[in-house]
Amino acid sequence: DVKVTQSSRYLVKRTGEKVFLECVQDMDHENMFWYRQDPGLGLRLIYFSYDVKMKEKGDIPEGYSVSREKKERFSLILESASTNQTSMYLCASSIGTASSGNTIYFGEGSWLTVV
Amino acid sequence: GNSVTQMEGPVTLSEEAFLTINCTYTATGYPSLFWYVQYPGEGLQLLLKATKADDKGSNKGFEATYRKETTSFHLEKGSVQVSDSAVYFCARLNPLTGGGNKLTFGTGTQLKVEL
Repeated sequence: DVKVTQSSRYLVKRTGEKVFLECVQDMDHENMFWYRQDPGLGLRLIYFSYDVKMKEKGDIPEGYSVSREKKERFSLILESASTNQTSMYLCASSIGTASSGNTIYFGEGSWLTVV
Repeated sequence: GNSVTQMEGPVTLSEEAFLTINCTYTATGYPSLFWYVQYPGEGLQLLLKATKADDKGSNKGFEATYRKETTSFHLEKGSVQVSDSAVYFCARLNPLTGGGNKLTFGTGTQLKVEL
């Protein structure tokens, strides 16, 4: 089974802190994603990466950055956390071909509260 | 853009009732379509998918048929159980420029099943 692991399930951080959310997948997937989930808004794509050291902005990249130094690991960085970044963050991965049948696998989510 | 619209919740049903959650997509090409489920406190799990018109995805008693003529992918279940209480997300696949795909989600529909 594919496993996408988010190391921190629940975090509480102060406004202005630098926050790292880590994600690791064990299936050698090329693509990795970070989404945030908010009530009434569903899931929105923050950033994605289709290869090591490659990254692309998603729909809501402002206030975030990412790092993909190794294929299995994709980190989301909040340079200076703000209260409007309180949310649930979901990491996901998929294989890299454009086949329409590809499944995207999700981690269990990281609940971040910024106070 | 390539979006997905699903009915708002919450939806409250009695056990053994029939369930329909509506989902429509913008008609740009013929995207693969998915339903994901999120149980309380957990990440997203793939429930079912369909990759081309007239395909029917099914799993755990849930079904959805890819209908090109109405650009819809409604989720149905004939007899819901309390354990089906969760948030359900409709999603479509959009290609990435670098290869692979990303998911665009609807806003989610919360289902609560009562005894």
